[in-house]
Amino acid sequence: DTAVSQTPKYLVTQMGNDKSIKCEQNLGHDTMYWYKQDSKKFLKIMFSYNNKELIINETVPNRFSPKSPDKAHLNLHINSLELGDSAVYFCASSSPPGPNYGYTFGSGTRLTVV
Amino acid sequence: AQTVTQSQPEMSVQEAETVTLSCTYDTSESNYYLFWYKQPPSRQMILVIRQEAYKQQNATENRFSVNFQKAAKSFSLKISDSQLGDTAMYFCAFMSGGANAGKSTFGDGTTLTVKP
Repeated sequence: DTAVSQTPKYLVTQMGNDKSIKCEQNLGHDTMYWYKQDSKKFLKIMFSYNNKELIINETVPNRFSPKSPDKAHLNLHINSLELGDSAVYFCASSSPPGPNYGYTFGSGTRLTVV
Repeated sequence: AQTVTQSQPEMSVQEAETVTLSCTYDTSESNYYLFWYKQPPSRQMILVIRQEAYKQQNATENRFSVNFQKAAKSFSLKISDSQLGDTAMYFCAFMSGGANAGKSTFGDGTTLTVKP
């Protein structure tokens, strides 16, 4: 069973389009995240939700809107896609601080805007 | 704000040998965790090892071990008996255990190549 699953794995789209990436985790974790990995492999947090509530909202264009219908799902919707949005987007989840603390990542979605 | 620095962008090692990847960090927090994540060419991010800051004993996971020097804010990863499958990018990461729990700061990564 996949612990954190993201769909789609690859997404190629034209500038100006709107697209969504879905994420689901079956680990029972309360906290989920979206990270962006750019072409230089730098990882930067975008959003975090704890039990459906937004707790981290980094400096991200408001074209990006996360939605968490329940604590097992965190989706990312992107409006009016731009060339600079091309990157790999990772979903992750974590348990509270303790012996099993740390991220479990999804396999990533490579978004290419043309 | 926390910073994490990996000073070695690229490293290589011969198969079966030992290699150490460096990481330093800066924080004013006392309750935190440190991690090493591995990202092979498949792109999947995998947690390799975690260290709780309040534990003095260095963490080990099979061939992977850390040298945690809290006063020096240093957290290096040692890979023993390197295998071809260890070829990957390795990220050092800091995660708060207190009020800012959850948010992680990653280093820029070290690309490790294991040569046959």
